[in-house]
Amino acid sequence: EVQLVESGGGLVQPGGSLRLSCAASGFTFSSYSMNWVRQAPGTGLEWVSYISSSSSTIYYADSVKGRFTISRDNAKNSLSLQMNSLRAEDTAVYYCATDKGTYTQDSYYYYMDVWGKGTTVTVSS
Amino acid sequence: DIQMTQSPSSLSASVGDRVTITCRASQSISSYLNWYQQKPGEAPKLLIYAASSLQSGVPSRFSGSGSGTDFTLTISSLQPEDFATYYCQQSFSTSRYTFGQGTELEIK
Repeated sequence: EVQLVESGGGLVQPGGSLRLSCAASGFTFSSYSMNWVRQAPGTGLEWVSYISSSSSTIYYADSVKGRFTISRDNAKNSLSLQMNSLRAEDTAVYYCATDKGTYTQDSYYYYMDVWGKGTTVTVSS
Repeated sequence: DIQMTQSPSSLSASVGDRVTITCRASQSISSYLNWYQQKPGEAPKLLIYAASSLQSGVPSRFSGSGSGTDFTLTISSLQPEDFATYYCQQSFSTSRYTFGQGTELEIK
């Protein structure tokens, strides 16, 4: 069964740090780019970060650039998000999701087709 | 960044209704548009990719159309399990994915 399982969420004080993990199983993790997406309470989805299959390409949303670091360990089928200098506005459910590409209509199209159930991060004093 | 705007923000409909949700991009994104469904307390689920391609396992009552800046998600005959929030997402800008604000579909 294709599965992503996030862990590492919790309550942290403003200015603190937290490291999220995402364990992959049931598919060839090393072949897929990955994303982190978050959802603040009662709001919509916000893309946070992207990492290519070989870690050669990494992107961040402006809201987390310089504070968050995405990484992966293909040998361990694991994705991570190191979050530093946390703010109240980082409070959210954090999801990891695969970034799949399919060739159709004469181009490659990318989408997030497998999602974990999420881990909750609360930044509060 | 490419802004994605969905309309309406919320919608009330009945089982059996035909429903259309619209997503507009702030610039042309060709067909790099995906649709997701999210139910309360659950992760998003991919419905449509590349504007009109139905994800495997998704019922055929869901369809997507559009290209450039204007896109639609249509549910041909609403079922009880379709009441959820729907999000569009652009993948044209691979360094800056963005989602629409969501459309909450409620039971009338």
